[in-house]
Amino acid sequence: KQEVTQIPAALSVPEGENLVLNCSFTDSAIYNLQWFRQDPGKGLTSLLLIQSSQREQTSGRLNASLDKSSGRSTLYIAASQPGDSATYLCAVRNGAGTALIFGKGTTLSVSS
Amino acid sequence: GAVVSQHPSRVICKSGTSVKIECRSLDFQATTMFWYRQFPKQSLMLMATSNEGSKATYEQGVEKDKFLINHASLTLSTLTVTSAHPEDSSFYICSARDRLAGVDTQYFGPGTRLTVL
Repeated sequence: KQEVTQIPAALSVPEGENLVLNCSFTDSAIYNLQWFRQDPGKGLTSLLLIQSSQREQTSGRLNASLDKSSGRSTLYIAASQPGDSATYLCAVRNGAGTALIFGKGTTLSVSS
Repeated sequence: GAVVSQHPSRVICKSGTSVKIECRSLDFQATTMFWYRQFPKQSLMLMATSNEGSKATYEQGVEKDKFLINHASLTLSTLTVTSAHPEDSSFYICSARDRLAGVDTQYFGPGTRLTVL
């Protein structure tokens, strides 16, 4: 059974720092991996989607990498801002069109 | 962009009552919708997969007679929590797959906060 783990569970940084969020999954035979942002009491916002054949995806200050063979992904946030404060969720799909399997998330707090 | 709505956004009910949550795809057709549940400080857990016009597929440990799912049209799926109890209090989120877009194009609703007293 696929399990997704995110480390750390919480992270506090001062504004301007670069940071890395980690995600690992137990079954490396994934279809793709997706990173989301969730604000308190809200739904999900998709940040980046990496197909199993890809190594990384970038969007603005965000960069997500995927090492499928080792079952790991990282989300790199450059020059963090207070507006980046949220919970970041990593999720994997085991097959095309199937449901996402989520980690518990990393709660990020960026202080000004 | 594609929008998925959920109604209500918050509901408080007494123990033993039933609550219906609606999930609508506003500008696309969704052949598949997924229902998730999220407890505080926990991850989203898949409850069931709903395909339009057919019975939902429930995940292990999810009672199908307690969590009734209906997906009668390409734009609407409903989740009914029957005889709700305090342990059913949670954040329920749906996602919808756009029939005409890629298989991985799923859009999430804003969630429904259920509190059972």
